[in-house]
Amino acid sequence: KAGVTQTPRYLIKTRGQQVTLSCSPISGHRSVSWYQQTPGQGLQFLFEYFSETQRNKGNFPGRFSGRQFSNSRSEMNVSTLELGDSALYLCASCRSETGSHEQYFGPGTRLTVT
Amino acid sequence: KNQVEQSPQSLIILEGKNCTLQCNYTVSPFSNLRWYKQDTGRGPVSLTIMTFSENTKSNGRYTATLDADTKQSSLHITASQLSDSASYICVVSGGNAGNMLTFGGGTRLMVKP
Repeated sequence: KAGVTQTPRYLIKTRGQQVTLSCSPISGHRSVSWYQQTPGQGLQFLFEYFSETQRNKGNFPGRFSGRQFSNSRSEMNVSTLELGDSALYLCASCRSETGSHEQYFGPGTRLTVT
Repeated sequence: KNQVEQSPQSLIILEGKNCTLQCNYTVSPFSNLRWYKQDTGRGPVSLTIMTFSENTKSNGRYTATLDADTKQSSLHITASQLSDSASYICVVSGGNAGNMLTFGGGTRLMVKP
């Protein structure tokens, strides 16, 4: 079984631009969660999607949004990029409820905002 | 407030030595506790996941313990190897809002030759 894939792996954007990151979960997994990880910080929860519905949302501004498609693939969008958005963005998939089952993380997308 | 505290924040040990990482949590109600290993610049990889009824779980040279009464967990690494150098993250599932995940800040382990 293929693991969680994220594209692109690396991205450089300038302030004010917007960016879309993609995540393909493990086949059969219905839950996708997104996390932001900055140097020196732990994993910060962004949001979780299950069967195309956003189930939970972290404490991030509205510039961060996401969606999930019928094939469980998910995208995350950040508008009006700020320097502080530079981070490793991780996606994780889960068979069903994230809290009850094991999560599998992708390799991440390294976003640099200049 | 649901919290997960890990100690120490960082640790340096010599190759071949053992070490123990600590995790204390206040998440209630409790569902399960996970330990992840994260290499620099990569996504975390699951080491163990333990429910309320499990006290000990091993994965090769990694052994996790759980004391649900004191809300403490530990991750013991035996005969450390250079490849064990990574961040180790404790994650607790539970809380009143359903099975939300609460992440610890991680312990950064460096194994030196």
